[in-house]
Amino acid sequence: SQTIHQWPATLVQPVGSPLSLECTVEGTSNPNLYWYRQAAGRGLQLLFYSVGIGQISSEVPQNLSASRPQDRQFILSSKKLLLSDSGFYLCAWSVQTTGNTIYFGEGSWLTVV
Amino acid sequence: AQKITQTQPGMFVQEKEAVTLDCTYDTSDPSYGLFWYKQPSSGEMIFLIYQGSYDQQNATEGRYSLNFQKARKSANLVISASQLGDSAMYFCAMRESFYNQGGKLIFGQGTELSVKP
Repeated sequence: SQTIHQWPATLVQPVGSPLSLECTVEGTSNPNLYWYRQAAGRGLQLLFYSVGIGQISSEVPQNLSASRPQDRQFILSSKKLLLSDSGFYLCAWSVQTTGNTIYFGEGSWLTVV
Repeated sequence: AQKITQTQPGMFVQEKEAVTLDCTYDTSDPSYGLFWYKQPSSGEMIFLIYQGSYDQQNATEGRYSLNFQKARKSANLVISASQLGDSAMYFCAMRESFYNQGGKLIFGQGTELSVKP
């Protein structure tokens, strides 16, 4: 069966520091991969998605970036965090057809102080 | 552009009663999928139910059913026999054709459901 893991689960970082959140999927190949962010009490906002290695599409201009160095690995990064980057970050995956469900990882709570 | 609307920020329901969570959507793509997710306080997003735009029958999964009215562009979630553990945030989401920007999932703002004993 397929599983998705992301880490770290909780992160407290000072303003201006770098960020790296990592996500890996097991049990499938060539998945679509996604990074979402959820601000407190609000819905999910799609940040990045990827349909293959090295292929990244950005939905929202910001100081975050994403990379997909391997088929089942998706990384969310920032060189300098802002206070507004605080939130709950969720990695997700799906197979590459419309009717298939998108499954989420456990999420990472980021607090920028 | 595609859009998902959940007009109920919060809902209360008595334990063992049924509750309907509203969701309307807008898309120009004839091929799309509609999803409902549950998010408890722990934060994880739990998939509940899926309805394809070409499906003739409403989807059901245990106590969850999706009231799909295509002409009205609505996809309401019905939870029967509510349980205390159903208290959570519920999100409606839509996914357009894969060939349209990777088939990304767009979410509504959510409805917070509270089940009262």
